[in-house]
Amino acid sequence: GENVEQHPSTLSVQEGDSAVIKCTYSDSASNYFPWYKQELGKRPQLIIDIRSNVGEKKDQRIAVTLNKTAKHFSLHITETQPEDSAVYFCASRPDSWGKLQFGAGTQVVVTP
Amino acid sequence: DVKVTQSSRYLVKRTGEKVFLECVQDMDHENMFWYRQDPGLGLRLIYFSYDVKMKEKGDIPEGYSVSREKKERFSLILESASTNQTSMYLCASSTGGNTIYFGEGSWLTVV
Repeated sequence: GENVEQHPSTLSVQEGDSAVIKCTYSDSASNYFPWYKQELGKRPQLIIDIRSNVGEKKDQRIAVTLNKTAKHFSLHITETQPEDSAVYFCASRPDSWGKLQFGAGTQVVVTP
Repeated sequence: DVKVTQSSRYLVKRTGEKVFLECVQDMDHENMFWYRQDPGLGLRLIYFSYDVKMKEKGDIPEGYSVSREKKERFSLILESASTNQTSMYLCASSTGGNTIYFGEGSWLTVV
């Protein structure tokens, strides 16, 4: 089955710097790659996603890139702010039914 | 706005008890999921359902069962709770292959 690996497990950045989280997946049939943000004590919420026919997508300070050949995708956060502190999960969808395979998560801490 | 509601936020149960975790969604989504979240392990799929009365095993179904008698409701059942089932349980729903929406989570402690 699909396996998603996520790195790093923790990431500490100074406010204003950029943060990058990387994920790899194993199933070449995967075609949808969402990123979720989970603040302390709250539910995971979708922040951005990318489909396999697109190489890059941006939404204000966040962007996601996908390299299908290498089977990896990354989340980029620019100009980080304290409210970006959270756990971020990458995921892939290995079939058309909708279930997601998640990475282990990255704890991002933005220090003022 | 999609709403996925988990009726119990915090539960403490004894080893061997039968535990029901209930989840209701209000968006007429066909797909519903139960995930378990543990530190360092991410979100692991326990069971999912694509339609009423249908269920499929996820990656870690052992020790769990599910029930989907109505489209909006998906229940997770621990037949005989054990301490290694202490965790946070997240219900989710989606339609087609689109965005998965999560509930607030149920924190279960088994003593």
